[in-house]
Amino acid sequence: DAGVIQSPRHEVTEMGQEVTLRCKPISGHDYLFWYRQTMMRGLELLIYFNNNVPIDDSGMPEDRFSAKMPNASFSTLKIQPSEPRDSAVYFCASSLGTGGSYNEQFFGPGTRLTVL
Amino acid sequence: GNSVTQMEGPVTLSEEAFLTINCTYTATGYPSLFWYVQYPGEGLQLLLKATKADDKGSNKGFEATYRKETTSFHLEKGSVQVSDSAVYFCALDLDSGYALNFGKGTSLLVTP
Repeated sequence: DAGVIQSPRHEVTEMGQEVTLRCKPISGHDYLFWYRQTMMRGLELLIYFNNNVPIDDSGMPEDRFSAKMPNASFSTLKIQPSEPRDSAVYFCASSLGTGGSYNEQFFGPGTRLTVL
Repeated sequence: GNSVTQMEGPVTLSEEAFLTINCTYTATGYPSLFWYVQYPGEGLQLLLKATKADDKGSNKGFEATYRKETTSFHLEKGSVQVSDSAVYFCALDLDSGYALNFGKGTSLLVTP
């Protein structure tokens, strides 16, 4: 398997622009997670899905952020409008399930977002 | 709720030195515990895990034992290599068991 795939790997945009980050989870994984990593705040869970349904979005910073999972093989994280404080590395991860040996999360390589 | 606290870095060691990175947790119930590693420019990857008290997880020469009595899961390696330079994250299941709660990460730099 190719692992979790994220695109783009790097994104530079100007304040106010819309940004869309994309993720393809590992085939057969029922859970998908979006994280944000910054030096100041570390690794933060933004939202996660189970079988394409959002389960917990309490980590989404504000209404400017939205995430969708239209099918089992694709998810997007959108920021509209973007602000400089959104600059971070955004990770997508997926897992088979929960508990025991099923809750290992596999991470993508991340998207480094810079908002000027 | 469930949470982890890990020692702040950066940690700088010479090659072949002994490594300990401390991690303590607060939990309701019996969480699983994890160590993830992030090499420069990459995503996190699972290093080892333990699912119940007294379990020892091990991988690539790293070990950690799930200590319920001290609520700890310290990461150890007897002889570090330059290639071990990375950021190490301790994590546990959130209350729902569906997602993980990560510590802030500890940066390790191993010098030749």
